[in-house]
Amino acid sequence: EVRLLESGGGLVQPGGSLRLSCAASGFTFSSYAMSWVRQAPGKGLEWVSAISGSGDATYYADSVKGRFTISRDNSKNTLYLQMNSLRADDTAVYYCAKDQIVEVVAGGDFDYWGQGTLVTVSS
Amino acid sequence: DIQMTQSPSSLSASVGDRVTITCRASQSISSFLNWYQQRPGKAPKLLIYAASNLQSGVPSRFSGSGSGTDFTLTISSLQPEDFATYYCQQSYSIRTFGQGTRLETK
Repeated sequence: EVRLLESGGGLVQPGGSLRLSCAASGFTFSSYAMSWVRQAPGKGLEWVSAISGSGDATYYADSVKGRFTISRDNSKNTLYLQMNSLRADDTAVYYCAKDQIVEVVAGGDFDYWGQGTLVTVSS
Repeated sequence: DIQMTQSPSSLSASVGDRVTITCRASQSISSFLNWYQQRPGKAPKLLIYAASNLQSGVPSRFSGSGSGTDFTLTISSLQPEDFATYYCQQSYSIRTFGQGTRLETK
């Protein structure tokens, strides 16, 4: 059974940092690209960042480019999102999602999602 | 960047109704379009991939069509559990979601 379990969310002050983790199980982790998708309270889904199965290729939404860093440790089956210079509009539930392909190229889709972890940026 | 626009933003319908939701891309995305369902407080669930392919375990009352820039999600006969928010998502160039369509009971 595929399982994705996010952790690391919490309350942080504007300008602060936070590191999210997503522990994966039930599939060959290194064979699939992974993404972070967020949802602000009462709002829609926003794709944030993606990483290839090997970790060699990373991609970011313009809204987080230069502030967030996605990475993965395939030996630990874990995906990460390092979030720096956090702003109030980064407040959201952050989901990790498994892609159906190994590279972040045309044709993927998110077939499994975690339950999400809430990040609140407030003073 | 590719923008995805869904219509309508919200929709009221009754059990048994046939419902159609539209998604338009700002440029051609071939058939690289997926649909998700999200119930309140839950993670999204993949319904349709590559425009018209039903994800395993999804009821056959859900169907998708389209290519290029215009796509539709159709629910042939609404069931009580279908009242939720639906999102389209392009995977032609990185990933982008539409703004969502909230399906409410009339």
